[in-house]
Amino acid sequence: QLQLQESGPGLVKPSETLSLTCTVSGGSISSSNNYWGWIRQPPGKGLEWIGSIYYSGSTYYNPSLKSRVTISVDTSKNQFSLKLSSVTAADTAVYYCARSGDGMDVWGQGTTVTVSS
Amino acid sequence: EIVLTQSPGTLSLSPGERATLSCRASQSVSSSYLAWYQQKPGQAPRLLIYGASSRATGIPDRFSGSGSGTDFTLTISRLEPEDFAVYYCQQYGNSPLTFGGGTKVEIK
Repeated sequence: QLQLQESGPGLVKPSETLSLTCTVSGGSISSSNNYWGWIRQPPGKGLEWIGSIYYSGSTYYNPSLKSRVTISVDTSKNQFSLKLSSVTAADTAVYYCARSGDGMDVWGQGTTVTVSS
Repeated sequence: EIVLTQSPGTLSLSPGERATLSCRASQSVSSSYLAWYQQKPGQAPRLLIYGASSRATGIPDRFSGSGSGTDFTLTISRLEPEDFAVYYCQQYGNSPLTFGGGTKVEIK
């Protein structure tokens, strides 16, 4: 059974870079015709797609965040990662990773990231 | 960017009743690439419907999706206690992928 797990610091200082990793288990990140994505949810608010990556490395990002976002993949570790630079309090959210094909059918449990000094 | 508007914002119903949730897109959604998710407090969203009308694996048949173009509907035929949650629609036919603002289905 495919499972995703986010990991990374829960607290990031303003102006620094948020870095998260999603580890895929129970299957290969390279084996299916899917993208792998990051989604976030600020406290009490709705869902926002950040961006997605294919195992080959091709990416597409939300234009609203594109200047600050980098998503990468490491097939040898079965992981993909998110970097969000120059963070502010507005980036405080629960960050989810998910498999993205016909809808997002497998999600991680989410990790809370707070931006504060 | 395709903006998805969900209505109503909150739906107050009793167990056993029928729930009808609407999702309207600002432009036509390519090939009905429209999904519905359920989210309970403290949990990740769960995929219910993809392709506007196909149920995801393990989803009970009381959940159904319909629609095309710019107007989509999620119907829960008879609400079970575990169905009270927030529901989001999402389009994945155009980048950026976008979500609606959500409909909360609460116990009346």
